[in-house]
Amino acid sequence: GENVEQHPSTLSVQEGDSAVIKCTYSDSASNYFPWYKQELGKRPQLIIDIRSNVGEKKDQRIAVTLNKTAKHFSLHITETQPEDSAVYFCAAPRESGGGADGLTFGKGTHLIIQP
Amino acid sequence: DAGVIQSPRHEVTEMGQEVTLRCKPISGHNSLFWYRQTMMRGLELLIYFNNNVPIDDSGMPEDRFSAKMPNASFSTLKIQPSEPRDSAVYFCASSFWGAGGNEQFFGPGTRLTVL
Repeated sequence: GENVEQHPSTLSVQEGDSAVIKCTYSDSASNYFPWYKQELGKRPQLIIDIRSNVGEKKDQRIAVTLNKTAKHFSLHITETQPEDSAVYFCAAPRESGGGADGLTFGKGTHLIIQP
Repeated sequence: DAGVIQSPRHEVTEMGQEVTLRCKPISGHNSLFWYRQTMMRGLELLIYFNNNVPIDDSGMPEDRFSAKMPNASFSTLKIQPSEPRDSAVYFCASSFWGAGGNEQFFGPGTRLTVL
């Protein structure tokens, strides 16, 4: 099965600065890597995902990079805003393939945007 | 579409009682997942179904937990008998497993408290 490690557990940045969250995974066959954002008391919601056939994907202020050789992927948020404050989770398929598999989640990063 | 629907939203019960959590996936989705979230253990996959068939239940903590999906629009997660350590938020998620489809949509969760 997959093992996902996420760092840091807490990240505090000034509004307007960039934030980077990193994850590593163990199964070299994994080919789908989503990032979820969870606000306090709410459900996790997908913000961006990447497949193993690309190294980077960008959506406005959010980007994800993937290094398959090193088995790690990162979330980058630029020009951070107060509404970015939340817990962010990385994930990878529990079993190899990236199809309809359950996800193994990292422990989460509490992102705090300081005004 | 109303999204993934879960009931009840909150459940408070006493140790030893039976608890049944319910989930209605998004119409047209063919995969359904049950997750549990606690501060200590984070988000954990309990079980998932593809086309109503259980695929992997290795995340179910013990025999006190059981899940069913009698049809494409309904699933239950049952705990019998419940224990205080079962207190957590239980999320149901669904996805469409098809060409390029992977995003899992989470329901609002059921907050379970076992006294």
